[in-house]
Amino acid sequence: SQKIEQNSEALNIQEGKTATLTCNYTNYSPAYLQWYRQDPGRGPVFLLLIRENEKEKRKERLKVTFDTTLKQSLFHITASQPADSATYLCALGNQAGTALIFGKGTTLSVSS
Amino acid sequence: DAGVIQSPRHEVTEMGQEVTLRCKPISGHNSLFWYRQTMMRGLELLIYFNNNVPIDDSGMPEDRFSAKMPNASFSTLKIQPSEPRDSAVYFCASSLGGTGRREQFFGPGTRLTVL
Repeated sequence: SQKIEQNSEALNIQEGKTATLTCNYTNYSPAYLQWYRQDPGRGPVFLLLIRENEKEKRKERLKVTFDTTLKQSLFHITASQPADSATYLCALGNQAGTALIFGKGTTLSVSS
Repeated sequence: DAGVIQSPRHEVTEMGQEVTLRCKPISGHNSLFWYRQTMMRGLELLIYFNNNVPIDDSGMPEDRFSAKMPNASFSTLKIQPSEPRDSAVYFCASSLGGTGRREQFFGPGTRLTVL
């Protein structure tokens, strides 16, 4: 069955450092991969989408890579700030019109 | 736009009672999703509508769960009878198209507690 794993449940880093979150998947061939941010008590909020034929995508301090050979996406937040503390979810989608499959998320804590 | 609206925000009920959760998607969006989130299982898709028609309901746990979308601006998720293991946060999301290339907009969720 399809499986998505996000590298760890929690990641703690110092302010100013780069946070790197990992999303691995098996038994799936996604055409798209999305990243969402979720704050406590709120719904997920879309951040970035990357297509299977794109290696990298950037948005301000965020960078996402997508390696279909390794079946892995990396999500980077550069110059991290305490306000970046949240849970980050990756989600896979395909061309067939089926809905996204979400990972369980990684909780990032940035300390000042 | 007000975003996706869900009601109620919190629901506490006793085992065996009927629970109805409501969702108003973003105007113009033609796809609507119901998710359930728990610590153990993460965010799970329950059902997905496209143009008010259920496309994928394989995530609906059992016959106690049912969902309807009578029109483009309203959907309900009903649990009857409710059980303690149904306790979770239920999210509704909408998008412009249901494929993986479309971002989803989530509502604030309904926290359901079944005693």
